[in-house]
Amino acid sequence: LAKTTQPISMDSYEGQEVNITCSHNNIATNDYITWYQQFPSQGPRFIIQGYKTKVTNEVASLFIPADRKSSTLSLPRVSLSDTAVYYCLVGVYSSASKIIFGSGTRLSIRP
Amino acid sequence: DAGITQSPRYKITETGRQVTLMCHQTWSHSYMFWYRQDLGHGLRLIYYSAAADITDKGEVPDGYVVSRSKTENFPLTLESATRSQTSVYFCASSESLGLGLDNSPLHFGNGTRLTVT
Repeated sequence: LAKTTQPISMDSYEGQEVNITCSHNNIATNDYITWYQQFPSQGPRFIIQGYKTKVTNEVASLFIPADRKSSTLSLPRVSLSDTAVYYCLVGVYSSASKIIFGSGTRLSIRP
Repeated sequence: DAGITQSPRYKITETGRQVTLMCHQTWSHSYMFWYRQDLGHGLRLIYYSAAADITDKGEVPDGYVVSRSKTENFPLTLESATRSQTSVYFCASSESLGLGLDNSPLHFGNGTRLTVT
């Protein structure tokens, strides 16, 4: 399973665009990249998933360069409610035991 | 999500007691999971189940027992609770774990905060 590295914490302000980068140098050909968001006292929530190039949904965008050794979660015009922990996961998920969450990135949004 | 519920929300128990945490999902998802979340460790997989009557160990299974007699329920039992099992426990479910676009995400409950005194 590809190991992921992401910043422990980030700070930003309301209305700004926030980019959280995840490094996954050992990503395998069949691996997908998935991001989850976790608010205090709640379980993680799926945000976005991608394999290559760019994926966009109503919540975020995911940018994946050609070599796929990293990925960037982009949150447009953040608000205070985007304060949460963000997890980057990489894997094929053919085995349930390989769905491993790291420590994530703690994002704090200020007024 | 309204489709997966955990109970109780909070539980205090004493060392050595047996305690069962309940998890119920309404989607008929095949896969169900139990994670524990502790400061400094992120989320760690305890047990998972691919279908009714099929369960398997995750990263930290010692001290826990699971069963899955019905697709929608996946209870987690601590047979003799220890202080080290004080944690927040999350149950999750997923439609499939296939390749490609079948990589369906995990849906989590809101957790059970367990304190063992």
